[in-house]
Amino acid sequence: NAGVTQTPKFQVLKTGQSMTLQCAQDMNHNSMYWYRQDPGMGLRLIYYSASEGTTDKGEVPNGYNVSRLNKREFSLRLESAAPSQTSVYFCAGAQTGTQETQYFGPGTRLLVL
Amino acid sequence: QKEVEQDPGPLSVPEGAIVSLNCTYSNSAFQYFMWYRQYSRKGPELLMYTYSSGNKEDGRFTAQVDKSSKYISLFIRDSQPSDSATYLCAMSLSDSGNTPLVFGKGTRLSVIA
Repeated sequence: NAGVTQTPKFQVLKTGQSMTLQCAQDMNHNSMYWYRQDPGMGLRLIYYSASEGTTDKGEVPNGYNVSRLNKREFSLRLESAAPSQTSVYFCAGAQTGTQETQYFGPGTRLLVL
Repeated sequence: QKEVEQDPGPLSVPEGAIVSLNCTYSNSAFQYFMWYRQYSRKGPELLMYTYSSGNKEDGRFTAQVDKSSKYISLFIRDSQPSDSATYLCAMSLSDSGNTPLVFGKGTRLSVIA
């Protein structure tokens, strides 16, 4: 039981490059979330998926796209990376009806030059 | 005004001290209140949650909610160096996955041996 896993752990991109951050969970979560965490800004929600087949924008969705590939996997894509997207990205999951108990992955540190 | 306000600290206390961490919020519709703990370079982990006014105790930790004042607190008794972390308050409108959590910016705590 790996919980919530994220790949890669660390990535360096040049401005304009694209990449996909992967998240997978084996905890049978219905809801999945992508956050970014910046110094002094706390955790901000980028996108979320309340259930398989649905996705919704969070507080800071610009520059990102997501795919809920199946119940286990929720990916975050940066089509054209910008230095402002340098951040630590966290994926989280929760059971419907217990969303206060979100389980977080270990994070992906992204540096955009 | 942000929906959830939290003093970022840092807060430094001696081992054994009682620690008080606080958040205020503006949306009176919030019903669920959580505290997450985040160690350096790790994902947040749920520490405590409550959905009513009053106190909830778990070992050395007590979560307090005052809905009339829109104020929540986390108390740590007999603080230990292992409690050194960033503490994030979070709240939501419901426990369903389609009403995401709103996080405070986090308070960094250091417990000095």
